[in-house]
Amino acid sequence: AQSVAQPEDQVNVAEGNPLTVKCTYSVSGNPYLFWYVQYPNRGLQFLLKYITGDNLVKGSYGFEAEFNKSQTSFHLKKPSALVSDSALYFCAVRDIRGGSYIPTFGRGTSLIVHP
Amino acid sequence: EAGVVQSPRYKIIEKKQPVAFWCNPISGHNTLYWYRQNLGQGPELLIRYENEEAVDDSQLPKDRFSAERLKGVDSTLKIQPAELGDSAVYLCASSLVATQPDEQYFGPGTRLTVT
Repeated sequence: AQSVAQPEDQVNVAEGNPLTVKCTYSVSGNPYLFWYVQYPNRGLQFLLKYITGDNLVKGSYGFEAEFNKSQTSFHLKKPSALVSDSALYFCAVRDIRGGSYIPTFGRGTSLIVHP
Repeated sequence: EAGVVQSPRYKIIEKKQPVAFWCNPISGHNTLYWYRQNLGQGPELLIRYENEEAVDDSQLPKDRFSAERLKGVDSTLKIQPAELGDSAVYLCASSLVATQPDEQYFGPGTRLTVT
């Protein structure tokens, strides 16, 4: 079985400050990990993914995420937040083992960047 | 490149009425997904298609939901009859090949309200 947890319903950060959106996962094998962003009245947009290799993954719009196997975490980060980053962020995991091709999504974290 | 197209964007129906959603995936994408996203939750898979073949449909309530993907391109998701609990956003997504850890491309969704 695979699962993902986003422990924060909402994250508030001031513009220009660094931001972190947390995600932890559980899989029986090795994970594929994804971050998506959802703006109001729009579908989810892919930000970045971790498959293998370097634990720090860089994605769209200046976002990056750090894979930590020992802590089973894949936190999303950005060095300097913009007001336009305000949106809903979803972490997703897919277990490599077992042939599952379906990602499991977290509940989402609302990021609010204050001017 | 055109994105995933869904219609209608919004639908309001009375309970026990039928409703259908349409999706046109990105050209060349073999895999098509239908998700349901309840308020405050992440997307949950209803059904996945590999070309014309429906796979991973264990979460589809088959007593009232049906889906088809004729010719392996467009897809339709139907609910008959609709219940109050079916109110949600129905998302369609596509990806190039499910066996690879490819990101999914999502449409804007259809917001269904059942009264």
